[in-house]
This record gives sequence, C-alpha cells and structure tokens, in this order.
Amino acid sequence: GAVVSQHPSWVICKSGTSVKIECRSLDFQATTMFWYRQFPKQSLMLMATSNEGSKATYEQGVEKDKFLINHASLTLSTLTVTSAHPEDSSFYICSAYRVYEQYFGPGTRLTVT
Amino acid sequence: SQQGEEDPQALSIQEGENATMNCSYKTSINNLQWYRQNSGRGLVHLILIRSNEREKHSGRLRVTLDTSKKSSSLLITASRAADTASYFCATDVDSGGSNYKLTFGKGTLLTVNP
Repeated sequence: GAVVSQHPSWVICKSGTSVKIECRSLDFQATTMFWYRQFPKQSLMLMATSNEGSKATYEQGVEKDKFLINHASLTLSTLTVTSAHPEDSSFYICSAYRVYEQYFGPGTRLTVT
Repeated sequence: SQQGEEDPQALSIQEGENATMNCSYKTSINNLQWYRQNSGRGLVHLILIRSNEREKHSGRLRVTLDTSKKSSSLLITASRAADTASYFCATDVDSGGSNYKLTFGKGTLLTVNP
C-alpha cells in the first residue's frame, strides 16, 4: 500500500509555455502533499506544502505565481509551472503524507528548451 | 534550508564490503529517516529512527542516532552492486504544528563495484 504516482514521468516544453504535473495517492487519502525540486546531483528542496481544500504554503524563495499548486481532492495535487524557462528544468518530486510518513512519487523530469 | 549534511559526499567500495554514511543536523528533531534514490528515480524509504531511539536495524541496514551530537549514521553491511544509489537523510523538524515537514541532507553517492 501507500503508492504515489506522478504524471507525466518526463516532459519537454518550450520556453514560455506552462506545464502541469499531477501527483496522485493511489490507495490512500492524503490531506497533505509536498512538492520538491531536485537539480542534478543535488538534494531535494521543499517547494511547497499542498493542503486539500486550502491554499498551498510556499517555502521562502519559491514564487507562488510561477508554481501554481492545486490540491482539489484527497488523492490529487497538481503543480503547474507557468511561463517555464530553461532554469526551471529540474526533477520535480511529490510526496503524500500519511501517519507520520511521506510516500514519494517517482518524479517528473522537466526540460525547458 | 538544508538541515542535514551527509558525509562523505561520495563513497566507492567493493561488493561485500560495508558502507557507512553519516548525517549531521542542526536543530531538534522528532525523527530522522534515511532514503535511497537510484539515478533519475524517486525516493525509497529505508528506515526511520525516532529521537528517543539510539539504534535500529532492518535487514542489512543499521542506523544509529546520537541526539547529543546531532548526528546519525547508516551502515549497509555486505554491500551489493544493487546498493549503488544516492542516500539521503531527512529530518522531521520539531516545529510544532507542521512537524511532519522533512528537510533533506545533501546526500551520499554510493558506488558498489562488482
């Protein structure tokens, strides 16, 4: 149990376009999900905390208008990278929280050309 | 901000040898967790150790926690080529209402040579 999926697993987009990444908890409900970004050979950096039915909480330095988060249901959170630029190219990983543990998705590789 | 700092940053060993990775952190924690990440993949949870625990075992994994030194170690015994991955510690910072937020260390890249 406790499986989290992400879609797509990889995406290539042109500079200036927007990209939506989905994070789903497949076999449990998650009122809280987290979004992380990971640059090559670096660690995971928490971007924001997504709470079902309320606004996301963003970490310092993360632009909320650029990284739109919607947690519309107990099993789905989405991250939309708006007006993507090459510097937004990264590996985006989500996690869903349940009973003191976070369960991680497989990640989404975003490449902005 | 990065709470955990792992060392070494990279470790290369031969199959069958033991691998030890260390993690240090700065503030009080509720628990500390270790994760493995294969290249370009998501995270796999390995083990969680609570702040009131000193040692924990899971298969070939042994984790220790020294809250007085704010440090933890992960020992992988009898390593295998399949253990090749990056290993991260993550702390669950004791921050009141949001005490389930994780802060990750920089990670150790372990290479196990066959």
